[in-house]
Amino acid sequence: EAGVAQSPRYKIIEKRQSVAFWCNPISGHATLYWYQQILGQGPKLLIQFQNNGVVDDSQLPKDRFSAERLKGVDSTLKIQPAKLEDSAVYLCASSLDRQRANEKLFFGSGTQLSVL
Amino acid sequence: LAKTTQPISMDSYEGQEVNITCSHNNIATNDYITWYQQFPSQGPRFIIQGYKTKVTNEVASLFIPADRKSSTLSLPRVSLSDTAVYYCLPPGYQKVTFGIGTKLQVIP
Repeated sequence: EAGVAQSPRYKIIEKRQSVAFWCNPISGHATLYWYQQILGQGPKLLIQFQNNGVVDDSQLPKDRFSAERLKGVDSTLKIQPAKLEDSAVYLCASSLDRQRANEKLFFGSGTQLSVL
Repeated sequence: LAKTTQPISMDSYEGQEVNITCSHNNIATNDYITWYQQFPSQGPRFIIQGYKTKVTNEVASLFIPADRKSSTLSLPRVSLSDTAVYYCLPPGYQKVTFGIGTKLQVIP
């Protein structure tokens, strides 16, 4: 079974530039999460999708971050414009259904973003 | 959300059994507790999950006492490749933050 695919693996940009990350979840997984992981910390949720609808984006800095999940499958996360403090690993995860009591998340390898 | 507490770091020698305990409260009767493992430069990986007594799989065991106010992840005979960060996630936590987790360092 293929896992969660993310690209690119690494990205270096200058502040105020734009960047986009792509995620392809495991086939059949209805729920998709984007997390931000700053060095030394645990993953912090940015946005959660159920199929192609947003369930929770309360922790997404909406003035610069946006995300979409077209057709309920692939998803993209965009930062525009980037700030120095956005340097982090951006992780995508998927699960069968967020409402299951025994929900298990499957993560991609992440995109490491460096903002100079 | 239930509040969780787990040690920030632990050291262990190769071949020893390692137990990492996570304290949590306000866990509903049928809520599952899930543990994840994260290696450097990788996303977290599901290890084990349970909601009562003991669960064992090929990687670890999970002990949950009757009061369900804590859970203990047990790693038998650790090796250098078990060096990682381990996260205890009561229900709902994956929807906010994983917390800092426990950094396990296995020593030769």
